[in-house]
Amino acid sequence: AQTVTQSQPEMSVQEAETVTLSCTYDTSESDYYLFWYKQPPSRQMILVIRQEAYKQQNATENRFSVNFQKAAKSFSLKISDSQLGDAAMYFCAYRSSYNNDMRFGAGTRLTVKP
Amino acid sequence: GAGVSQSPRYKVAKRGQDVALRCDPISGHVSLFWYQQALGQGPEFLTYFQNEAQLDKSGLPSDRFFAERPEGSVSTLKIQRTQQEDSAVYLCASSLDGYSGNEKLFFGSGTQLSVL
Repeated sequence: AQTVTQSQPEMSVQEAETVTLSCTYDTSESDYYLFWYKQPPSRQMILVIRQEAYKQQNATENRFSVNFQKAAKSFSLKISDSQLGDAAMYFCAYRSSYNNDMRFGAGTRLTVKP
Repeated sequence: GAGVSQSPRYKVAKRGQDVALRCDPISGHVSLFWYQQALGQGPEFLTYFQNEAQLDKSGLPSDRFFAERPEGSVSTLKIQRTQQEDSAVYLCASSLDGYSGNEKLFFGSGTQLSVL
């Protein structure tokens, strides 16, 4: 079964600085999708960025980018120019191409200091 | 509606009581998912609907959990004879298309269930 590991329960960053959140996953599949979701205190999960495993190019969305290392099964999220509104729980997620089960990591709580 | 709506936002139940949690997805969305999120953990998949058909219920933890979506829009997650271990946030998500793996999921704000 696929597993997703986020080894950093908490991270802190100074406003306007850059922070990287780590994620590793375990799978025997070759075709899958990876996601980063943000969950503020409102509890609503918001998609930050997604990556197709067959694409070598790393996804970017404005201040958010990923470092996808397929061989190492690593999928880290880089947040540039951090803003106070970025403070939230961040979840890495894996989704197979073959079933409906999206696996989430345990999350990283990001604090942004003014 | 503008987003995925879930009700109630909070639910307190006595152990052994039956509860029903409602999810109103974005209008026209084909796919609907239920997730369970225990305190301090990531969401875990419960079940998936494509329109009114429940295509995957492999994540339901026991036969006390039952979900339906009779007209392909609103869905209800029912938990019978609630136990303390059922305490969690229950998240609903919907997407426009049938399952493709990469479609964007829109999540509701969840129902926080506390079983005393």
